[in-house]
Amino acid sequence: DQQVKQNSPSLSVQEGRISILNCDYTNSMFDYFLWYKKYPAEGPTFLISISSIKDKNEDGRFTVFLNKSAKHLSLHIVPSQPGDSAVYFCAAVQGGSEKLVFGKGTKLTVNP
Amino acid sequence: DAGITQSPRHKVTETGTPVTLRCHQTENHRYMYWYRQDPGHGLRLIHYSYGVKDTDKGEVSDGYSVSRSKTEDFLLTLESATSSQTSVYFCAIRPTANEKLFFGSGTQLSVL
Repeated sequence: DQQVKQNSPSLSVQEGRISILNCDYTNSMFDYFLWYKKYPAEGPTFLISISSIKDKNEDGRFTVFLNKSAKHLSLHIVPSQPGDSAVYFCAAVQGGSEKLVFGKGTKLTVNP
Repeated sequence: DAGITQSPRHKVTETGTPVTLRCHQTENHRYMYWYRQDPGHGLRLIHYSYGVKDTDKGEVSDGYSVSRSKTEDFLLTLESATSSQTSVYFCAIRPTANEKLFFGSGTQLSVL
């Protein structure tokens, strides 16, 4: 049973426009959510996170929104740049747990 | 740089042979993890460790064993490699008081 779902395997946007990546979760005990970015032949790198006590967290061009009632979070990238082209993984963890659960990833392509 | 080194970076082996992948960290963090990444499956947890000689299974642990005899080293062993274990393997560390994972650069393993 997949607890963290990224239903869009890929997304293509134009440079300068907004990229919106979505993630849904099923476990209501998750209380901390993270986004990771992965380039080919490299390990995933942490991008941004949000605690369940917040509904928004912003870091430069990246904003994560959390809708607890819908069990949904999204990552907004504004403006999108070609260097943002990568696979983005959503992850969730329950407080006190050692295990992060990852989604399957969304491949973002930003076209010049 | 999170001070994580994975070795080897690439390995080709034959079905039925034993394989050991090594993860070395320089930060003395308590938690260490092994994930595999496969197309269509995202990042899946194989095993993790919460201290020397303390390990536990993840969601895809069958066919894998781990050992942690020193804080800095976490070994992943495929006792008898199968073609289904062809994958990219990532080691990750997690500072005790922080839910973020920091990943190594990965090991590309091909089992022929």
